[in-house]
Amino acid sequence: QSVLTQPPSASGTPGQRVTISCSGSSSNIGSNYVYWYQHLPGTAPKLLIHRSNQRPSGVPDRFSGSKSGTSASLAISGLRSEDEADYYCATWDDSLSGPVFGGGTKLTVL
Amino acid sequence: QLQLQESGPGLVKPSETLSLTCTVSGGSISSSSYYWGWIRQPPGKGLEWIGSIFYSGSAYYNPSLKSRVTISVDTSKNQFSLKLSSVTAADTAVYYCARQVLGTAAFGPWGQGILVTVSP
Repeated sequence: QSVLTQPPSASGTPGQRVTISCSGSSSNIGSNYVYWYQHLPGTAPKLLIHRSNQRPSGVPDRFSGSKSGTSASLAISGLRSEDEADYYCATWDDSLSGPVFGGGTKLTVL
Repeated sequence: QLQLQESGPGLVKPSETLSLTCTVSGGSISSSSYYWGWIRQPPGKGLEWIGSIFYSGSAYYNPSLKSRVTISVDTSKNQFSLKLSSVTAADTAVYYCARQVLGTAAFGPWGQGILVTVSP
């Protein structure tokens, strides 16, 4: 049981916009930045969004992050086949004094 | 360009100790801005943070694993290591090492990961 709650799956067709949610509590998302990772099978996870809504250099602007209260979202616009991957949210948890991850969302591009 | 690489046995017997090393290249592990962490992913499951260490040797661990985990650092070799004792099949996972921004959940870059199987 992960501290952060994500839907196990999401899907969309090429060109569509999809969003992935991440729900937490006041001790984690409510008081800290959220980070999003893209994980392709057999590769290392890649930081997609940092500080809740900032993109590292090299990440396309099709990816965007937002946070409100104790929830956060990752939006992917102009969906492409190469976006098919697992996506994880993560944040610091003040109660645990450490980072926590969501359970992950498997995105399928139909 | 900073790179991390995990190494160690891919097979460990139940009740024994899992030992992995992460070698950092392209930069110094002795940075005042970063911790160095271990994260794992059991088959079919999500990512789980194991613990992290500062170059000074100060470490902190996931409370759920704390009793079995030790993370150490060797600045002379630019390496940090993970030891997980009394392993069971539930510890079978891909283990990643990664650089962590102090006090955040920002990890990167990551190593490629190493599959460790716990089996007789």
